[in-house]
Amino acid sequence: QVQLVQSGAEVKKPGASVKVSCKASGYTFTSYYMHWVRQAPGQGLEWMGIINPTGGSISYAQKFQGRVTMTRDTSTSTVYMELSSLRSEDTAVYYCARGIAVANTPLGYWGQGTLVTVSS
Amino acid sequence: DIQMTQSPSSLSASVGDRVTITCRASQGISNYLAWYQQKPGKVPKLLIYAASTLQSGVPSRFSGSGSGTDFTLTISSLQPEDVATYYCQKYNSAPNTFGQGTKLEIK
Repeated sequence: QVQLVQSGAEVKKPGASVKVSCKASGYTFTSYYMHWVRQAPGQGLEWMGIINPTGGSISYAQKFQGRVTMTRDTSTSTVYMELSSLRSEDTAVYYCARGIAVANTPLGYWGQGTLVTVSS
Repeated sequence: DIQMTQSPSSLSASVGDRVTITCRASQGISNYLAWYQQKPGKVPKLLIYAASTLQSGVPSRFSGSGSGTDFTLTISSLQPEDVATYYCQKYNSAPNTFGQGTKLEIK
């Protein structure tokens, strides 16, 4: 069965960076794009970007351009999302999510979420 | 970028009611529209994709319709377990923007 297991909660100071991992199992890692979505406390879902694990092609939401980096390690079936220059507004649960089919498709599989808290 | 606007932002309905949530795209997206359900403290769950295709295991009281810019999610007979926030999302091309969400409560 498809499983996406994310790294644990993080507490960071403003201006720092955070790197969240998402280890995939139960399917061919290179066949499916991976997305990152975040949700601030009491707020809605916010799409951050998408990475193609095969060629590494990436698309980021404009809001995060210049601050976010998504990478993948095919040897460990893991994708990473690094967000820099953190501010309090970045406090949120960060999810990785996989589409239901190849290419850009709806998100049928989700990680458990990683809470990132930005506080001085 | 294409914006996704849901209405209403919240609604309250009685068990057994027919409930409709709408989602409007600022430009046409064909049928590349998905609906998700998120219960409090839980991970979002895919309900419907391709505007009207029910994801496996989703109760048949949920249905979706629409194409182009206007879409609807309908719950034919509201059940207590349907209390959740519902989101639409476009996926024709990145960015895969979500709507702002509709919080559904039981009256």
